[in-house]
Amino acid sequence: GQNIDQPTEMTATEGAIVQINCTYQTSGFNGLFWYQQHAGEAPTFLSYNVLDGLEEKGRFSSFLSRSKGYSYLLLKELQMKDSASYLCAPLDSNYQLIWGAGTKLIIKP
Amino acid sequence: GAVVSQHPSRVICKSGTSVKIECRSLDFQATTMFWYRQFPKQSLMLMATSNEGSKATYEQGVEKDKFLINHASLTLSTLTVTSAHPEDSSFYICSASGESGRSSYEQYFGPGTRLTVT
Repeated sequence: GQNIDQPTEMTATEGAIVQINCTYQTSGFNGLFWYQQHAGEAPTFLSYNVLDGLEEKGRFSSFLSRSKGYSYLLLKELQMKDSASYLCAPLDSNYQLIWGAGTKLIIKP
Repeated sequence: GAVVSQHPSRVICKSGTSVKIECRSLDFQATTMFWYRQFPKQSLMLMATSNEGSKATYEQGVEKDKFLINHASLTLSTLTVTSAHPEDSSFYICSASGESGRSSYEQYFGPGTRLTVT
């Protein structure tokens, strides 16, 4: 079957760094997206990885290891507005996004 | 670019009535549109996938006669919740993908519609 595993909830301090891990098992693989979702709002795009390695974009970076079925999202210089859920979503062989429950990130002052 | 709008943003209706939600891709042609439902503190649940001009593909457990989806053009899809009941109250989100952005498989999300059935 298809499965996404992320921590349910994480807490971090404003200004710090946090890494959100994601392991996945899908039937086929065509890349992996990370989305951010604030409470009561729709998801917004953060990153897309299709090759192994680290993609850096400002305060956010995303890493992918296809052989390990593993990705992480790294958030630096945390701000209060980063409090949200972070969704790891791989694309399966049918190019369908597989959604997990996401990680709720709580930022404390 | 790649903006998706959704209307209405909030709707309250009485039990037994029908509600139509519109999803539009404003600046690109959406070959595929997706409809999701999300209950509080739960993950996104894909309801159906629709390609322009063809019938929607519904996920297991989603009643196609209750949730009518029409994707009549490359920029518009509609979801009609027929004979709505209180248990249909949820956050409905559409997304669209097409030849735009970083990947033709990236989904651009609308802002969502909060449906409350009384």
